[in-house]
Amino acid sequence: QVQLQESGPGLVKPSETLSLTCTVSGGSISSYYWSWIRQPPGKGLEWIGYIYYSGSTNYNPSLKSRVTISVDTSKTQFSLRLSSVTPADTAVYYCARSRDGSGYYYDFDYWGQGTLVTVSS
Amino acid sequence: DIQMTQSPSSLSASVGDRVTITCRASQSISRYLNWYQQKPGRAPKLLIYAASTLQSGVPSRFSGSGSGTDFTLTISSLQPEDFATYYCQQSYSTLWTFGQGTKVEIK
Repeated sequence: QVQLQESGPGLVKPSETLSLTCTVSGGSISSYYWSWIRQPPGKGLEWIGYIYYSGSTNYNPSLKSRVTISVDTSKTQFSLRLSSVTPADTAVYYCARSRDGSGYYYDFDYWGQGTLVTVSS
Repeated sequence: DIQMTQSPSSLSASVGDRVTITCRASQSISRYLNWYQQKPGRAPKLLIYAASTLQSGVPSRFSGSGSGTDFTLTISSLQPEDFATYYCQQSYSTLWTFGQGTKVEIK
């Protein structure tokens, strides 16, 4: 069974960089798209971006200037860096897997449990 | 950007009711539409992908339909464990977007 687990600081100061890692277990990191998605408290879901196992990326234009997603296939991990954070970046951050081909259309079939990151001084 | 609009934003229903949630895209997205269920404090769970294909392990009372701009998620007979928030998501464009969510509450 594929499992995803987010890790990283739960508190980040304004103007600093938020860094999270997602560790994938129980399955291969190859041939899938790996995304970060966030959800501010009491609000809806926002897709941040994805990285393909080969390293190609696609980011939400609204965050593109501040986002970097990277992958370490040897560790079956991928990571998120979000720079110059403000309180508006306070949210639960999820990592998730997407699949395509064979009738799949980039759905998110596996999710991490989520981690709350608060931006505050 | 492709905007996804769900209706209603919330609804109250009783156990055993048939429930329908609609998702409309601001432009055609073919069948690049997925549905998720989220319970408080939990990650979303994939219910339907490619507009109408039931994800493995999801009860058959859930079904999806539609293509182009108009899509529907139907719960044929609402069960106590189905009270949750439901989101649609499009993956047609390079910017993947979600609907604002529909909260299904107990009447």
